[in-house]
Amino acid sequence: EVQLVESGGGLVQPGGSLRLSCAASGFTFSNYWMTWVRQAPGKGLEWVANIKQDGSEKYYVDSVKGRFTISRDNAKSSLFLQMNTLRAEDTAVYYCGGGSYLDYWGQGTLVTVSS
Amino acid sequence: QAMVTQEPSLTVSPGGTVTLTCDSSTGAVTSGHYPYWFQQKPGQGPRTLIYHTSKKHSWTPARFSGSLLGGKAALTLSGAQPEDEAEYYCLLLYSGYWVFGGGTKLTVL
Repeated sequence: EVQLVESGGGLVQPGGSLRLSCAASGFTFSNYWMTWVRQAPGKGLEWVANIKQDGSEKYYVDSVKGRFTISRDNAKSSLFLQMNTLRAEDTAVYYCGGGSYLDYWGQGTLVTVSS
Repeated sequence: QAMVTQEPSLTVSPGGTVTLTCDSSTGAVTSGHYPYWFQQKPGQGPRTLIYHTSKKHSWTPARFSGSLLGGKAALTLSGAQPEDEAEYYCLLLYSGYWVFGGGTKLTVL
């Protein structure tokens, strides 16, 4: 069974940092691009970042460039999102996704940025 | 970055047909945008229904179909079921970055 399990969310003050993780199982993680997507409370989905199979290409939405870093560890079938200089507008449920055609999605982890 | 527009809400009768559209601020949507369609129900993560304009996953009900229509990506639901009531999002690729549409809340009533 394919599983993507996000973790690392929580409450953080503005300007703080968090590192999200996504543990993958049930498919060959290293074969696929992986993606982070977020959803602010009551709002729509927003694509955040992508990373190529070998980590050689990374893309970000403009609003997180220079603050967030996507990475992966293929040996551990894990995806990460390092989030620095967090802002209130980063408050959202963060989902990881991947597969040949975005086949697989996790259930999300909530990040709340508030003082 | 580009903006992608969807109808905020649509209503369809049970057994009826409805088409959701996905428009790009940069011009016509083409197959080169690799359009995706996702379904999301309250409290759940997204589920991919359609990829690359019209291709279906094994779990995609046959009543859903994707196409390009009048310069937009389109998702057509033929024979709506109560369980199809959900939020639907399109996703387009632009030179390495992706943009979601704002979502369409579909009511089956």
